[in-house]
Amino acid sequence: EAQVTQNPRYLITVTGKKLTVTCSQNMNHEYMSWYRQDPGLGLRQIYYSMNVEVTDKGDVPEGYKVSRKEKRNFPLILESPSPNQTSLYFCASSPAGEFPYFGPGTRLTVT
Amino acid sequence: AQKVTQAQTEISVVEKEDVTLDCVYETRDTTYYLFWYKQPPSGELVFLIRRNSFDEQNEISGRYSWNFQKSTSSFNFTITASQVVDSAVYFCALSEATGDSSYKLIFGSGTRLLVRP
Repeated sequence: EAQVTQNPRYLITVTGKKLTVTCSQNMNHEYMSWYRQDPGLGLRQIYYSMNVEVTDKGDVPEGYKVSRKEKRNFPLILESPSPNQTSLYFCASSPAGEFPYFGPGTRLTVT
Repeated sequence: AQKVTQAQTEISVVEKEDVTLDCVYETRDTTYYLFWYKQPPSGELVFLIRRNSFDEQNEISGRYSWNFQKSTSSFNFTITASQVVDSAVYFCALSEATGDSSYKLIFGSGTRLLVRP
């Protein structure tokens, strides 16, 4: 089954404790991205990757890192999470010239 | 800059009522796509429709219909005979071509629809 998976789906952590949210797709898509969803703001793009080892900032990249060592994986790294990063995070993937398929979302709470 | 406005933050209706969710967009692109997504309480994003900027025909899918009007930069979504299961947050989105054959979606802030029994 074609899908985008994210882990964990729910995470509660404390300020400053490094965490990684994994994203994996089994569709051989070139393009992957991360969005965050906040009340009243909709979804905003954090980072995107056009292919292996090629990443770039989206609209709200501060406080996040990403890597794309393999085509199927695009982890989102929070080196020192803060409460303002409490949000619902979505990973998405797409083939070149097509539109994103979204993962199920990861709800992160930073206390 | 591209922008999507969903002015209705929250709408509450009684079951079987018709309801229209408004979406107004801004873009300088001549080619673009518009989307609607549904986000039920479980949190996932459910794709509802994608519309090409060159196709202004209205679309109907069961109880759902979409009215695309380029002249007013609007892409409104109507649910006919609403049901409790329609309760969700609905997002309108606009595609932005990033120049590398990939697309970023610009989302509106969402409209929360509550359908009461």
